[in-house]
Amino acid sequence: DAKTTQPNSMESNEEEPVHLPCNHSTISGTDYIHWYRQLPSQGPEYVIHGLTSNVNNRMASLAIAEDRKSSTLILHRATLRDAAVYYCILRDERRGNEKLTFGTGTRLTIIP
Amino acid sequence: GAVVSQHPSRVICKSGTSVKIECRSLDFQATTMFWYRQFPKQSLMLMATSNEGSKATYEQGVEKDKFLINHASLTLSTLTVTSAHPEDSSFYICSARDLRGQKLFFGSGTQLSVL
Repeated sequence: DAKTTQPNSMESNEEEPVHLPCNHSTISGTDYIHWYRQLPSQGPEYVIHGLTSNVNNRMASLAIAEDRKSSTLILHRATLRDAAVYYCILRDERRGNEKLTFGTGTRLTIIP
Repeated sequence: GAVVSQHPSRVICKSGTSVKIECRSLDFQATTMFWYRQFPKQSLMLMATSNEGSKATYEQGVEKDKFLINHASLTLSTLTVTSAHPEDSSFYICSARDLRGQKLFFGSGTQLSVL
């Protein structure tokens, strides 16, 4: 699987937008970009995923660079419950390789 | 949304005993489930891929005789840690994919402590 690079940690103030970056310079044309987050002492939960176009859902937005070598997860208005480790993961759906390989992720701290 | 139930959430056992962890997909069928292990302050490490009706596929370095996986139905996979030792103490997490989509759903994890 192609590798992703994320900052180890970030801080943000409560009720402000948060932009979590992810670099994936070796992404292939069929790799989807997935984001999951893990709250303390819990299993990960799905946040969002996309291929080429920007994506929005009730949790977040995903902005994908035109060359697809980077992406940004956007939390529009952070709350204390958004404090978690955020993982950016590439997965090639075409190969039928369903497993997710987790990197180190970004630990997001929300400051009240 | 789809739910994956994992049980127990926490288990403490003596060294040498075996521990079974269950993972159930509650409202969807999962032909494939995944088992991960996570040590404190570290990321999730994939241990094995569990396939319904066939043998599990283990990642390199994971002992298949120590971590027994059974996926007997489309909604249940079990992980048995045999002859557990203190170094097996970890957070074990299962996940399953809803075949209708591309998301993976994760259980809430099992914290195993071996004394």
